[in-house]
Amino acid sequence: EDQVTQSPEALRLQEGESSSLNCSYTVSGLRGLFWYRQDPGKGPEFLFTLYSAGEEKEKERLKATLTKKESFLHITAPKPEDSATYLCAGTLSGGYNKLIFGAGTRLAVHP
Amino acid sequence: DGGITQSPKYLFRKEGQNVTLSCEQNLNHDAMYWYRQDPGQGLRLIYYSQIVNDFQKGDIAEGYSVSREKKESFPLTVTSAQKNPTAFYLCASSKGRGNNEQFFGPGTRLTVL
Repeated sequence: EDQVTQSPEALRLQEGESSSLNCSYTVSGLRGLFWYRQDPGKGPEFLFTLYSAGEEKEKERLKATLTKKESFLHITAPKPEDSATYLCAGTLSGGYNKLIFGAGTRLAVHP
Repeated sequence: DGGITQSPKYLFRKEGQNVTLSCEQNLNHDAMYWYRQDPGQGLRLIYYSQIVNDFQKGDIAEGYSVSREKKESFPLTVTSAQKNPTAFYLCASSKGRGNNEQFFGPGTRLTVL
């Protein structure tokens, strides 16, 4: 069964304390791996797309990486405004553009 | 500004009522999607449409219906047959034709009274 699993479910960091969020997938024929940020009561905001193992993308304090089995979202020196739920999703090769979402990691960054 | 709008932001439904959630996009995207989000769960696909006048069931289509008469619009009706409709509903769109990046609207929170 195609599945995306995120860990940890929740993460509490002090401001400036770097860490990583994990997204592991068992999606046969993965076509792309997506990261979104979601603030409470709002729609997900697109962050990154990764297509092949070894690929990396960066945006401000965030860097996403992809291996053959998992993706990491690295957060360097986080600030309180980075607090949000981070969602990961995989899409399959062939067929339509279906995204399979993980349950998300709730990140809280405290000053 | 290009984007996706959803209305209303909050919606209350009585037992036995049908309600319709609006989704409009001005991104000139071909594909549109409806997802449901429940606490502690990933987004689940309700319906999707890759082109005007065509749509397909997703993983949890029972109790829902959609239409796609215009490229810009993809309304979702939650019928009385949906036994547990209280959730956060998200509409998304993408360029389609192999472009996978989906962009989301702000969501509608539906509560059954």
